[in-house]
Amino acid sequence: GQNIDQPTEMTATEGAIVQINCTYQTSGFNGLFWYQQHAGEAPTFLSYNVLDGLEEKGRFSSFLSRSKGYSYLLLKELQMKDSASYLCAVLDSNYQLIWGAGTKLIIKP
Amino acid sequence: GAVVSQHPSWVICKSGTSVKIECRSLDFQATTMFWYRQFPKQSLMLMATSNEGSKATYEQGVEKDKFLINHASLTLSTLTVTSAHPEDSSFYICSARETSEFYEQYFGPGTRLTVT
Repeated sequence: GQNIDQPTEMTATEGAIVQINCTYQTSGFNGLFWYQQHAGEAPTFLSYNVLDGLEEKGRFSSFLSRSKGYSYLLLKELQMKDSASYLCAVLDSNYQLIWGAGTKLIIKP
Repeated sequence: GAVVSQHPSWVICKSGTSVKIECRSLDFQATTMFWYRQFPKQSLMLMATSNEGSKATYEQGVEKDKFLINHASLTLSTLTVTSAHPEDSSFYICSARETSEFYEQYFGPGTRLTVT
């Protein structure tokens, strides 16, 4: 079956760095997405990786290793507004998004 | 660009009634639209995939006679929850994929449905 694993919850301090990991086993791979979702709101796009390596976009970076079925989202200089759930999703061979359960990130002052 | 709207943003209805939720792509053509449901503290659950002009494909366990999906144009898809029950109370989110792209989905803001 298809499976995406990410930690349920993480806590970090304002100004610090946090890494959210995601491992996946899917039927085919056409890319991996990271989305941010604040409570009661729809997900918003953060990043898309289809090739191995690190993609940097401001305070957020996303890494992919296809051979290991592994990705991480790195958030730097954490701000209180970064408190949200972070969803990892893989586009499978049918171009269907397979979603992880999400990681709730709690930022403390 | 790539804006998706949903209407209404929230709705309260009585048990046994039907509710229609609209999803529109405002500045692009969406061959494919997706409907998700999300219960509190849970991840997104895909309900169905709809392609313009054809019948929707429902995920296992989703009743197609209860959740009616229509995708009559390249910019509009509707989800009708028929004979709603309190357990249908949830956050319903649509997303749309642009015709020329095969990967990115653009999400609507979601509709909070409460059935009393």
